[in-house]
Amino acid sequence: EPEVTQTPSHQVTQMGQEVILRCVPISNHLYFYWYRQILGQKVEFLVSFYNNEISEKSEIFDDQFSVERPDGSNFTLKIRSTKLEDSAMYFCARTALSYNEQFFGPGTRLTVL
Amino acid sequence: GENVEQHPSTLSVQEGDSAVIKCTYSDSASNYFPWYKQELGKRPQLIIDIRSNVGEKKDQRIAVTLNKTAKHFSLHITETQPEDSAVYFCAAEDDYNKLIFGAGTRLAVHP
Repeated sequence: EPEVTQTPSHQVTQMGQEVILRCVPISNHLYFYWYRQILGQKVEFLVSFYNNEISEKSEIFDDQFSVERPDGSNFTLKIRSTKLEDSAMYFCARTALSYNEQFFGPGTRLTVL
Repeated sequence: GENVEQHPSTLSVQEGDSAVIKCTYSDSASNYFPWYKQELGKRPQLIIDIRSNVGEKKDQRIAVTLNKTAKHFSLHITETQPEDSAVYFCAAEDDYNKLIFGAGTRLAVHP
């Protein structure tokens, strides 16, 4: 199965700054997801996106977070005002055509200073 | 909501031995249980999964078993090799198709 790509691979930002993380999926996938993994911890669900709308979001996904698919292809996660605790790996995932299976992109390492 | 517990947190085996990692879940409505392998600094990679309509699935040296009544599932790796060393995560898919992950098991295979 073809994977998704993510950019950038590493983002360093100052606390309070806005960051945009990008995921480039294959166009015929249905569900897209963002997950977060703080260093040394488990993978945590942030938000799912289906048919260009948010399907579900977790408690982590507060007003500082937003997702968009601005041009019908790239899938973005925006953090409006970053906090130190936002430092983590952010993974985009998509379901396989056969549904259920979720395949992760390579991730973006976000470092908030 | 769904909660997934995973044990042990670390596992050390000799090359050639078997390794077993166990997970329990809370939501009886969950029907899909994948396992991911994550090497240091890399993405989680799906290695095997099982759906609730089967009790066991095998792929070469890895197998997964599921007991829906007891709400637990396990990963079995036979004839372990040093390249099996990684962090393994179990997960359960909830009603909304999101994955709830366990805390992970760090497996070390010693030559």
